[in-house]
Amino acid sequence: EIVLTQSPGTLSLSPGERATLSCRASQSVSSSYLAWYQQKPGQAPRLLIYGASSRATGIPDRFSGSGSGTDFTLTISRLEPEDFAVYYCQQYGRSPRYTFGQGTKLEIK
Amino acid sequence: EVQLLESGGGLVQPGGSLRLSCAASGFTFSSNAMSWVRQAPGKGLEWVSSISGTGGNTYYADSVKGRFTISRDNSKNTLSLQMDSLRAEDTALYYCAKGSTLFDFWGQGSLVTVSS
Repeated sequence: EIVLTQSPGTLSLSPGERATLSCRASQSVSSSYLAWYQQKPGQAPRLLIYGASSRATGIPDRFSGSGSGTDFTLTISRLEPEDFAVYYCQQYGRSPRYTFGQGTKLEIK
Repeated sequence: EVQLLESGGGLVQPGGSLRLSCAASGFTFSSNAMSWVRQAPGKGLEWVSSISGTGGNTYYADSVKGRFTISRDNSKNTLSLQMDSLRAEDTALYYCAKGSTLFDFWGQGSLVTVSS
């Protein structure tokens, strides 16, 4: 099973700042099958990024993903108030045991 | 508009059974694999099970294999999860999700609590 470790656990930033979230895999993620989800309190997760760097439909371009192999990054270029949430990475290259990271909480400083 | 509406959650004793359902609309249900993903209170996400569009292929996490059964009725656009031999550690919010590897739409979840 591929274990995904996200860092930091909590990130405190102000609106307008840049956020950088990390996801490290215990083994190489094949074909960059790495996704990012956003979850706000009381809501279901929402797909943001797939294939490590492709934005899902309707996702603003301030969200970007990068990385390959075992190291992946989600960047939010300029934080909006609605971006404060928990973010999860997920690998979907090792069928069928698709694993999620433990999450990074992005909170307002 | 894609909509996924879960139902069937509740309180059940350890060793008991529960059946979750998910009513889907807004897309061609039979052409899409579907999944269940759960989230224990205050915890992260855990993939539980997936089923192909025809229902001919099913997949389970090791933690639920042999106890849970995923199925679908394409004539009714409905996904189901039969949960038997429930344990306290199965307590979670269970989400129905479109897709089998990547989950592009999610329902709002159905809460399952396993407690005596």
